[in-house]
Formats: sequence, structure tokens, C-alpha cells
Amino acid sequence: DAKTTQPPSMDCAEGRAANLPCNHSTISGNEYVYWYRQIHSQGPQYIIHGLKNNETNEMASLIITEDRKSSTLILPHATLRDTAVYYCIVSPTGTGNQFYFGTGTSLTVIP
Amino acid sequence: NAGVMQNPRHLVRRRGQEARLRCSPMKGHSHVYWYRQLPEEGLKFMVYLQKENIIDESGMPKERFSAEFPKEGPSILRIQQVVRGDSAAYFCASSPGGGRYNEQFFGPGTRLTVL
Repeated sequence: DAKTTQPPSMDCAEGRAANLPCNHSTISGNEYVYWYRQIHSQGPQYIIHGLKNNETNEMASLIITEDRKSSTLILPHATLRDTAVYYCIVSPTGTGNQFYFGTGTSLTVIP
Repeated sequence: NAGVMQNPRHLVRRRGQEARLRCSPMKGHSHVYWYRQLPEEGLKFMVYLQKENIIDESGMPKERFSAEFPKEGPSILRIQQVVRGDSAAYFCASSPGGGRYNEQFFGPGTRLTVL
């Protein structure tokens, strides 16, 4: 079962920042937080991951609370192409651990 | 570097036939995962393989489903005697292995329709 809780849907105005929350209150010390998105039933696309420090890449920023019980994915300037289902996943360190996809957050970017 | 390749992209089978889904991981990746996505649902893990070995098949149905990842060639997910409930999108992911991260890269999926 997924160890994360996300709101089922969110809207965001084009050009504004999209902040997608995720609750993972039972996360273990060796578990990373991964974010993926799925655009219109395509294969999930990797966005970002982190352990305890905030992370940023060309796609997004990941803010993890100090107690690691929740995180927020930030898309700084949302575009229509960011409309997708966003999944927050926690997974232990190391290869070979299956991902538990919950129901994710369906983000709609509005023109 | 080509991404994860899956073929066919769409597959139509009649009940009772066999379905074979292929997955070629990214170059340099030796770990393959298969997931299934039923309509309007999230992805569900099926099986994790390394070259010539099934490591975790805890998500695979006990009957009719099998997977392999031979030394040479793509990984194959095989569904025997398909039923309508097998209609779904099947995604393959690969990872390089050996590192701290479990970053998995997904293919475009195979959409199986059982008539």
C-alpha cells in the first residue's frame, strides 16, 4: 500500500507556481521521497527525489519538512503542459524496491 | 541514450489467447520492473527482475502470468489465456542498479485490450 497521502485534485493558473503537497507521516529514516508525473496515460516521468534536504532541478523544487513527515513539490511557473497526475512515492535506499503508486494529485493548469 | 522501449504499444487479443509484452531497458540498465495500470487507477507493481533472475514477483498473479529477463534480449511479460480483466496498460521501468537511489525510468507502456 502507498505510504503517502495527496489531495485528489488541484487547479493552478498558467504562469503561477503550483505547490503540490504530500503527507508521508510514517516515512522511515532510509526512505527517499520521489515525485513522478503521468501525462494523459503516458509512462510516468521522473521529476525529482530527495532524502531530507531541499532539492531543485530544471523541472521543479522539492521541499521536505524537517521532521520529514511531509513534502511539497513546486513547479515554479506552471504551463498547460504540466497538466498531469502527480505521484509522491516513498521508497527505501537502494535499487530493487517497488514503487507504491497511490492515486496521486490530478493537477489542471488553467489558461 | 534511448529511453525504455516497449512493444507493441497496442495489443488486441481475444479471450484465451496469449499476450507477449516486450521491454528493452535503457542502455546500461540491468534492472527491470513491470507495473500494471487498470483504467482509472494508479500503477500497481507486478515483478522486479535482474538479468536471468526474478527478484521479486510479489505483485504477479499466481496463474497465467510470467516474466523473464534473459541474458540477451528484452524482458518479456507473458500472459496466457487472457481474460477481459487483463485489459490494462502495462508499463516497464528500468534502473541502473547498484546505487543508493531507486530512480526508475518508465517506458511508454503497452495497452492490452482483450475482446
